[in-house]
Amino acid sequence: QKEVEQNSGPLSVPEGAIASLNCTYSDRGSQSFFWYRQYSGKSPELIMFIYSNGDKEDGRFTAQLNKASQYVSLLIRDSQPSDSATYLCAVTNFGNEKLTFGTGTRLTIIP
Amino acid sequence: DTGVSQDPRHKITKRGQNVTFRCDPISEHNRLYWYRQTLGQGPEFLTYFQNEAQLEKSRLLSDRFSAERPKGSFSTLEIQRTEQGDSAMYLCASSLLASNTGELFFGEGSRLTVL
Repeated sequence: QKEVEQNSGPLSVPEGAIASLNCTYSDRGSQSFFWYRQYSGKSPELIMFIYSNGDKEDGRFTAQLNKASQYVSLLIRDSQPSDSATYLCAVTNFGNEKLTFGTGTRLTIIP
Repeated sequence: DTGVSQDPRHKITKRGQNVTFRCDPISEHNRLYWYRQTLGQGPEFLTYFQNEAQLEKSRLLSDRFSAERPKGSFSTLEIQRTEQGDSAMYLCASSLLASNTGELFFGEGSRLTVL
């Protein structure tokens, strides 16, 4: 079992719709959860982080964490073509320790 | 530019040759990480430093790989006797230990092609 699993996609969503990206993790000791966005040929950049159960909103992005189910998700509202990228879920056991990444979900927003 | 910089950006080498990559982190960041990423995969952890101390090495890091951060500033990753399976993007990232976000700041990567 991989430590961090994501549905690899590709995921296609019409412009203006909600994109939903999912991630599960195996280590119950995981404490910090991150979503990174990676455009093709570029390096990952942080979108959001979440530590506590529940929802965290930042603009069009909402991260959801359920530690009991070992599940974290990212919702992108009002999807834009510029959101087309690979989204990487990452977890860590302690603040600022190594991040363990999933394989990423490739998202395409269709105009 | 005060971001993470990596050099070279691209390296093509023949199997069996040695290669070295350099990473200059954000100046005040005390943690430095090396990851490897192949097409269609997420970054895989290789090793990380806190200041000059190498705190963890992945099992992925065979004896042919060595990383250093001699003065707690820049870091080098050397691959000896390269193999075709070493072809990948090598990403360096840095972070601040005291950060409350745990965010890693990535460089643009060094792409290695082994022929």
